[in-house]
Amino acid sequence: EVQLVEAGGGLVQPGGSLRLSCAASEFIFSSSWMSWVRQAPGKGLEWVANIKQDGSEKYYVDSVKGRFTISRDNAKNSLFLQMNSLRAEDTAVYYCARSPWGGPFDYWGQGTLVTVSS
Amino acid sequence: DIQMTQSPSSLSASVGDRVTISCRASQSISSYLNWYQQRPGKAPKVLIYAASSLQSGVPSRFSGSGSGTDFTLTISSLQAEDFATYYCQQSHSTPRTFGQGTKVEIK
Repeated sequence: EVQLVEAGGGLVQPGGSLRLSCAASEFIFSSSWMSWVRQAPGKGLEWVANIKQDGSEKYYVDSVKGRFTISRDNAKNSLFLQMNSLRAEDTAVYYCARSPWGGPFDYWGQGTLVTVSS
Repeated sequence: DIQMTQSPSSLSASVGDRVTISCRASQSISSYLNWYQQRPGKAPKVLIYAASSLQSGVPSRFSGSGSGTDFTLTISSLQAEDFATYYCQQSHSTPRTFGQGTKVEIK
């Protein structure tokens, strides 16, 4: 069974940093585009970033450009999201998801909550 | 960016009802349209991809149609486990965008 397990969420002050990770298993991680998607409390879904199989292409939603960095380690079947200069509006549950180019987000993790507050 | 607009934002229905949710894209996305179901406290789950293809394991009472800018998700006979929030999402271009969601509640 495909598994995606996020970790690294927590409470952080505005302006602080946090690094999320996502451990993948039971699919060929190195052959998959991967994404981060977030959901603010009581709100809808927002795609945050995605990364190509070999890490050579990365894309971001405008609101996080220059602050967030997506990366991956195919040897460890892991996806990461480095979040800097965090703002209150970044408070959300962050999901990692497999996201084939042109296709749906077909596998999702359980999510990790990031709370930005003083 | 492509804007996705769902209607209605919420609806009340009874078990056994036929339910239809609409999704409109701000520009043509061909058939690059996906539908998700999200139950409270859970991750979203893909129901329909490429506008009308049923994801493996999803009950056949779910169906999708449309192309270009106008799309529809239909639940032919609503079941108790279908009370949830539904989102459309375009995978035509980056940024990948979602509709605002449609909450299906019990009448």
